[in-house]
Amino acid sequence: KQEVTQIPAALSVPEGENLVLNCSFTDSAIYNLQWFRQDPGKGLTSLLLIQSSQREQTSGRLNASLDKSSGRSTLYIAASQPGDSATYLCAVGGTASKLTFGTGTRLQVTL
Amino acid sequence: DVKVTQSSRYLVKRTGEKVFLECVQDMDHENMFWYRQDPGLGLRLIYFSYDVKMKEKGDIPEGYSVSREKKERFSLILESASTNQTSMYLCASSLSLLVTLHFGNGTRLTVT
Repeated sequence: KQEVTQIPAALSVPEGENLVLNCSFTDSAIYNLQWFRQDPGKGLTSLLLIQSSQREQTSGRLNASLDKSSGRSTLYIAASQPGDSATYLCAVGGTASKLTFGTGTRLQVTL
Repeated sequence: DVKVTQSSRYLVKRTGEKVFLECVQDMDHENMFWYRQDPGLGLRLIYFSYDVKMKEKGDIPEGYSVSREKKERFSLILESASTNQTSMYLCASSLSLLVTLHFGNGTRLTVT
């Protein structure tokens, strides 16, 4: 059974700092890995999707990498801003019906 | 832009009541999903549907049923609500089973 772990559970950084969020998974037989953002009391917003054949994806200040062999993904956020404060979740799996979510990293970017 | 709309943001129901949670998507997506989210447990799939009138159980279907009579609408039904069904319920849709999900804003259900 796939297990997804995100460490740390919470992180606080000052504005402007670059930061890395980690996601690890136990079964490397995956089709893709996705990163989502969730604001308090809201649904999830898709940030990046990496197919299993890819090593990384970039969108603006966000860069996600995937290393299937080691069961790891990282989400790199450059020049963090207070608006980046949210919970970040990774999800791995095959078809969407088999997505397994981590419990998330709660990020706070302070002024 | 895809919009997934859940009819209620907050619901309070009594134990034993029949509860309907409604979800509508406007992008003609084939696939729709119901998740529940609980602290420390993450998101867990309750049911999903890959076509009208088609459904499959997810990881935690017990105590729930679903209905998909039209492509754009997917309903989650709690036949007899119990306190352990107090949770945040999230609906999602996708164009195919290999691309990202689009989520609604969630319904926070409290069963007293």
